[in-house]
Amino acid sequence: GAGVSQSPRYKVAKRGQDVALRCDPISGHVSLFWYQQALGQGPEFLTYFQNEAQLDKSGLPSDRFFAERPEGSVSTLKIQRTQQEDSAVYLCASSLGARVRYTFGSGTRLTVV
Amino acid sequence: DAKTTQPTSMDCAEGRAANLPCNHSTISGNEYVYWYRQIHSQGPQYIIHGLKNNETNEMASLIITEDRKSSTLILPHATLRDTAVYYCIVRVASSGDLTNFGNEKLTFGTGTRLTIIP
Repeated sequence: GAGVSQSPRYKVAKRGQDVALRCDPISGHVSLFWYQQALGQGPEFLTYFQNEAQLDKSGLPSDRFFAERPEGSVSTLKIQRTQQEDSAVYLCASSLGARVRYTFGSGTRLTVV
Repeated sequence: DAKTTQPTSMDCAEGRAANLPCNHSTISGNEYVYWYRQIHSQGPQYIIHGLKNNETNEMASLIITEDRKSSTLILPHATLRDTAVYYCIVRVASSGDLTNFGNEKLTFGTGTRLTIIP
């Protein structure tokens, strides 16, 4: 597609439930990023893929967070045993190559109740 | 990547030029200044970037001081659709070789919330 697509757009999860958030990057984009954005804050880096390789996961807040991009295109961010503090907008971005501009999706708003 | 400082919020009258400042006093010689904006309920959108020369595109102009320690993003004729949070980010840019990967992540601060007043 023309842009980065994320689904679902909104997700409500009960505390303790597992969730999976999907990102479809722009076709051919090598780099893929996940960011977490709390209300009123700027996006915070979670993890980065170059093709299927996860090269940086330094921003993942705990081992309950897991991301994958098995075929180098679609990526999934999984959060296990969700907690209220996981409530945020999760943004995905992709870029064509090294240190060029990002294109962001509209995000998935996760609310843990 | 160098740290940036931006005002928390600004207002601008519709139709006037919006000038958004950014301080980046610790910028390195190979670091560029990037601007992104985030309209409500959307992901951030790239606006413009530059190294030391002033830059202009269809969205905005970027003025970088000669010592490169600060810059200003200019929206020449602000409209209500320009209401957004604007992020100034400093980072090393592409060398032109798309396969020359390094520190790829963008580090966002809290940005400037720009409100265009009708």
